[in-house]
Amino acid sequence: DADVTQTPRNRITKTGKRIMLECSQTKGHDRMYWYRQDPGLGLRLIYYSFDVKDINKGEISDGYSVSRQAQAKFSLSLESAIPNQTALYFCATSLDRDQPQHFGDGTRLSIL
Amino acid sequence: AQTVTQSQPEMSVQEAETVTLSCTYDTSESDYYLFWYKQPPSRQMILVIRQEAYKQQNATENRFSVNFQKAAKSFSLKISDSQLGDAAMYFCAYADGGSQGNLIFGKGTKLSVKP
Repeated sequence: DADVTQTPRNRITKTGKRIMLECSQTKGHDRMYWYRQDPGLGLRLIYYSFDVKDINKGEISDGYSVSRQAQAKFSLSLESAIPNQTALYFCATSLDRDQPQHFGDGTRLSIL
Repeated sequence: AQTVTQSQPEMSVQEAETVTLSCTYDTSESDYYLFWYKQPPSRQMILVIRQEAYKQQNATENRFSVNFQKAAKSFSLKISDSQLGDAAMYFCAYADGGSQGNLIFGKGTKLSVKP
């Protein structure tokens, strides 16, 4: 079983819809992250959380919100989806600041 | 702000040959970490190698090694004996040594391996 699980794997939806992407992990890591990947731009940080009560905005948080329901769960929401939020979204976890991040398999989100 | 630059959008190598992917970064920090991640067509993000800035010795992992030049702020990845399975996007990433340690990624290099 995957250590970092993202659901759904793929999603197609319409402009204006509210969407939630979910991430759960069995690694026992406190640190969790949400990234967005666009072609030619690499990965950019949306939000990150160091524990349940510590949530921080990343480079591109506008239009997104997050919820850290438990140490193992970190959800990303798009309150009112727009087409330029079409991208591949990754969740990641890490043990500490100097340790590698472990990624889920990504959610490919298409907004029509 | 820290930045990571990968100047080669695409590279190609013959199977069994050696290829080097370039990465430069800009930072005023002295304590930081550098990573190479591989993203095959399956879209997974797979850690290839990690380097601590305070270590002079270059990291190696089997056929993968780095050339870390701290003064030049350069962190290149060398892949020896290239295999078809090495074909992927490769991302260089930087994390500062402060309390946050968030990753900053380069835009990636697409590596093709020719049989």
